[in-house]
Amino acid sequence: EPEVTQTPSHQVTQMGQEVILRCVPISNHLYFYWYRQILGQKVEFLVSFYNNEISEKSEIFDDQFSVERPDGSNFTLKIRSTKLEDSAMYFCASSEALLGVTGYTFGSGTRLTVV
Amino acid sequence: SQQGEEDPQALSIQEGENATMNCSYKTSINNLQWYRQNSGRGLVHLILIRSNEREKHSGRLRVTLDTSKKSSSLLITASRAADTASYFCATDGGSQGNLIFGKGTKLSVKP
Repeated sequence: EPEVTQTPSHQVTQMGQEVILRCVPISNHLYFYWYRQILGQKVEFLVSFYNNEISEKSEIFDDQFSVERPDGSNFTLKIRSTKLEDSAMYFCASSEALLGVTGYTFGSGTRLTVV
Repeated sequence: SQQGEEDPQALSIQEGENATMNCSYKTSINNLQWYRQNSGRGLVHLILIRSNEREKHSGRLRVTLDTSKKSSSLLITASRAADTASYFCATDGGSQGNLIFGKGTKLSVKP
């Protein structure tokens, strides 16, 4: 069964450092998303991406965040200057159709720890 | 903003029993989805129910949707220890398909 692949599975970084989280969505999916889950809290939407541009973003997705699809397969989330409160599990997801009418496929997540 | 809220927050049952989890939301939806998350792992899509559907089955899962009450329920029949996980409902929010998740129900199935 097709999977969304995320790397790395764990990342520890110093506060103020830049991190890039990587995702390989399912190849025939057109819509891509990043979500995050702070430990013990809800899964929160960050950003959606379609046709090589951001479709929608939440209040969390401020100027410190950016997304890119540098080639035909990878989808990355960059945090420019990490803060302690950025520590969370970050999930990438993709869907074939808008509004996820066929459901979303999530990756296994990257656990980011900012120290 | 619309919000999926599950109850109970935690549920502990014996293997073989049925588990029922509920979800309420606030605004109109196109669809509602249920996801499962094993501790510290990714989200696994279980089932999607469209706003014009009232009930849907998938294996041991049964989902109902009542749009007049803005609520949904997930029933897992004949539970197994392997069903131990957190279960989240998620409603579609915004025009570009982002999901709004609830806080989840933590299900523990004791062998």
